[in-house]
Amino acid sequence: GAVVSQHPSWVICKSGTSVKIECRSLDFQATTMFWYRQFPKQSLMLMATSNEGSKATYEQGVEKDKFLINHASLTLSTLTVTSAHPEDSSFYICSAREDRVRSPLHFGNGTRLTVT
Amino acid sequence: AQSVTQLDSQVPVFEEAPVELRCNYSSSVSVYLFWYVQYPNQGLQLLLKYLSGSTLVKGINGFEAEFNKSQTSFHLRKPSVHISDTAEYFCAVSARGRDDKIIFGKGTRLHILP
Repeated sequence: GAVVSQHPSWVICKSGTSVKIECRSLDFQATTMFWYRQFPKQSLMLMATSNEGSKATYEQGVEKDKFLINHASLTLSTLTVTSAHPEDSSFYICSAREDRVRSPLHFGNGTRLTVT
Repeated sequence: AQSVTQLDSQVPVFEEAPVELRCNYSSSVSVYLFWYVQYPNQGLQLLLKYLSGSTLVKGINGFEAEFNKSQTSFHLRKPSVHISDTAEYFCAVSARGRDDKIIFGKGTRLHILP
């Protein structure tokens, strides 16, 4: 079945540094990918929709300059958390859908970011 | 806009007993409905989905859900749970034809008691 790979699975970084998270569709092409954030014991909140070859669409309240999204190919989207702070610590999950009608969303296994 | 309410944050149930996880939704337009499962430190896995047709939907791992339009509900059921069903379960909704933009409920943690 379709697989979405997310890397790294966990990362610890110092406050003020930037962290890049990769989301890859391994055996299908995905024009559209999605980035979510999940706080402990809470639901997923959609952060942005990543579109191959164009700018990402951010949800209300999500800082574009803070969370940089690049969808450079049909199989890769990256999320860069710039100048990370402890409040950015969270579980980040990506999803992707195949480029066909009624294709389901496939989720990556998530990245746990801890900013110290 | 759509919204989802999962009434129970946690549900304890004994192994081999039946379980129902409740989900209600709100929407001004027709919807698609989903149930996802999340195991610790992992992404989400689709259990089942309702797009159209039969209101009783069967999914993986022995789960099923019933779409009730009049009650705006989409409760998840399993007749006999196992320890391996311990996980977080998310109900989700999207506007019909927009199954890319999915709104998730807050989740229900299913505790299986031995």
